[in-house]
Amino acid sequence: EAGVTQFPSHSVIEKGQTVTLRCDPISGHDNLYWYRRVMGKEIKFLLHFVKESKQDESGMPNNRFLAERTGGTYSTLKVQPAELEDSGVYFCASSQGPGQYFGPGTRLLVL
Amino acid sequence: KNQVEQSPQSLIILEGKNCTLQCNYTVSPFSNLRWYKQDTGRGPVSLTIMTFSENTKSNGRYTATLDADTKQSSLHITASQLSDSASYICVVSAKYSSASKIIFGSGTRLSIRP
Repeated sequence: EAGVTQFPSHSVIEKGQTVTLRCDPISGHDNLYWYRRVMGKEIKFLLHFVKESKQDESGMPNNRFLAERTGGTYSTLKVQPAELEDSGVYFCASSQGPGQYFGPGTRLLVL
Repeated sequence: KNQVEQSPQSLIILEGKNCTLQCNYTVSPFSNLRWYKQDTGRGPVSLTIMTFSENTKSNGRYTATLDADTKQSSLHITASQLSDSASYICVVSAKYSSASKIIFGSGTRLSIRP
């Protein structure tokens, strides 16, 4: 069974540019989560989808971040325009029960 | 404020030795506590999950303990191997809450030396 996959694995962009991260959850998992870890800090929650609906987006830092999950399958997280403080590792996780399965993360560097 | 504190921040031990990592939390009301292992460049992988009524759970050479009264957990690694080098993250979830109440610790960076 394929795990959670994320694309790209790394992204280096300049301040002001746009970046879109993609997450493909484990097939059949209704719950999809986005998390972020900035340098030296703990992983923090961004938002939670149940199928295509946003269940909780209280962790989204500001309106430069937009997450979608059309059709309840894969999800995208767009950052527009990117700022220096957006640099970090963005993790996606999915679940269909108590355990969460994490993807490998996308390492974003904003210069 | 819901918090999860881990200690030590980093630890170096020799291959074959045992070690214990600590996690203190203030998340309330408590639902469950999980320990994750995160290898460099990978996502976290679940090692154990414990609820209020469980005070110990093992997964191979990993044994987690939970004291819900003192709000402390530990992860004990027995007979360490080079492949145990990783970050170990304690994650606590609050009951009756949304996903935003899943609180991550900063992790303990464990290095195993040959």
